[in-house]
Amino acid sequence: DAGITQSPRHKVTETGTPVTLRCHQTENHRYMYWYRQDPGHGLRLIHYSYGVKDTDKGEVSDGYSVSRSKTEDFLLTLESATSSQTSVYFCAISERNEQFFGPGTRLTVL
Amino acid sequence: DQQVKQNSPSLSVQEGRISILNCDYTNSMFDYFLWYKKYPAEGPTFLISISSIKDKNEDGRFTVFLNKSAKHLSLHIVPSQPGDSAVYFCAASENQGAQKLVFGQGTRLTINP
Repeated sequence: DAGITQSPRHKVTETGTPVTLRCHQTENHRYMYWYRQDPGHGLRLIHYSYGVKDTDKGEVSDGYSVSRSKTEDFLLTLESATSSQTSVYFCAISERNEQFFGPGTRLTVL
Repeated sequence: DQQVKQNSPSLSVQEGRISILNCDYTNSMFDYFLWYKKYPAEGPTFLISISSIKDKNEDGRFTVFLNKSAKHLSLHIVPSQPGDSAVYFCAASENQGAQKLVFGQGTRLTINP
């Protein structure tokens, strides 16, 4: 357990609405990540951060934005949610040679 | 374009026998590989890793083998136990560490009594 929490854990929303997911860590790790997990695709990197206000795109960044104004918080925003963004979202931190994952957020976009 | 592939979506093994999970990759720049285990409704948990300077790494019942020329790695679990039933993901990175991992699609392992 690397002190990672995600909120909310479950969310149902409607197409076109904005959604923000929060990842919080308690151990001052520099690197934080957002992934989505979908059947047949494994985990795919959306965005990552290598420090406060330092972020970069991952493999599937279209339709998502992130912000990191404090070391402990990494926010993922869907500006206008679409049904294709229905997924399970995982936050992670990296420490030395491992990544540790949060418990996930299940998002359903109707 | 899947850089890391797990071609078996599922695998069923008898308790006590060996489980072998396979993973192939296409990017020759990958130099660090990890295996994760995932139970339903939980985040993935780290199992074992291997650097490209090695061809084998062992941790208890888990052994990872790396064949760089074939761009192939495998995870051996012996003996298999019912608690090993989970989805297993392999992952790879280019930086000899755990930044920016690329994951395979996962293999669901079922251990039968």
